[in-house]
Amino acid sequence: EAGVAQSPRYKIIEKRQSVAFWCNPISGHATLYWYQQILGQGPKLLIQFQNNGVVDDSQLPKDRFSAERLKGVDSTLKIQPAKLEDSAVYLCASSLEEAGSHEQYFGPGTRLTVT
Amino acid sequence: QQQVKQSPQSLIVQKGGISIINCAYENTAFDYFPWYQQFPGKGPALLIAIRPDVSEKKEGRFTISFNKSAKQFSLHIMDSQPGDSATYFCAASNNAGNMLTFGGGTRLMVKP
Repeated sequence: EAGVAQSPRYKIIEKRQSVAFWCNPISGHATLYWYQQILGQGPKLLIQFQNNGVVDDSQLPKDRFSAERLKGVDSTLKIQPAKLEDSAVYLCASSLEEAGSHEQYFGPGTRLTVT
Repeated sequence: QQQVKQSPQSLIVQKGGISIINCAYENTAFDYFPWYQQFPGKGPALLIAIRPDVSEKKEGRFTISFNKSAKQFSLHIMDSQPGDSATYFCAASNNAGNMLTFGGGTRLMVKP
């Protein structure tokens, strides 16, 4: 079974530029998550999708971050404009929709450096 | 944000020893407590998980101990091996959704 795919793996941009990350979840997984992991910290949930609907985006900085999941499969996370404090690894995860199935499978992440 | 506090931040253990990592939570609605293992350059991977209806769960060399009244849970790695060297995260969620709240992580180094 193929895992969660993310691209690019690394990205370096200057502050005030925009950037987009792409995620392809495990086939058949209805739920998709985006996390931000700052160096030395645990992942922090940004947004959760179930199919192509948003379940929770309470921790997404909506003035600069946006995310979409068209057709309930792939997802993109965008930052515009980027700030220095956005430097982090952005992790995508997916899980089955089945009741009680909490196991989340993580992708390798995209390491973003904002200079 | 509902917090999960993890300690220690780093841990050095000799090969064959026992590694112990502790977590404490505040939200009594949490009912799922997983531990994730993360190697450099990789995403976290589920190691073992427990629900509050049991006080202990063991899978191979990994054991979760859970104390509901104290709102604490811990990971024990028996016979620690150099290949266990990684960062470990505890997490918690409730049945209202699958949204995980992670602890700050523990960097484990097992010396040969």
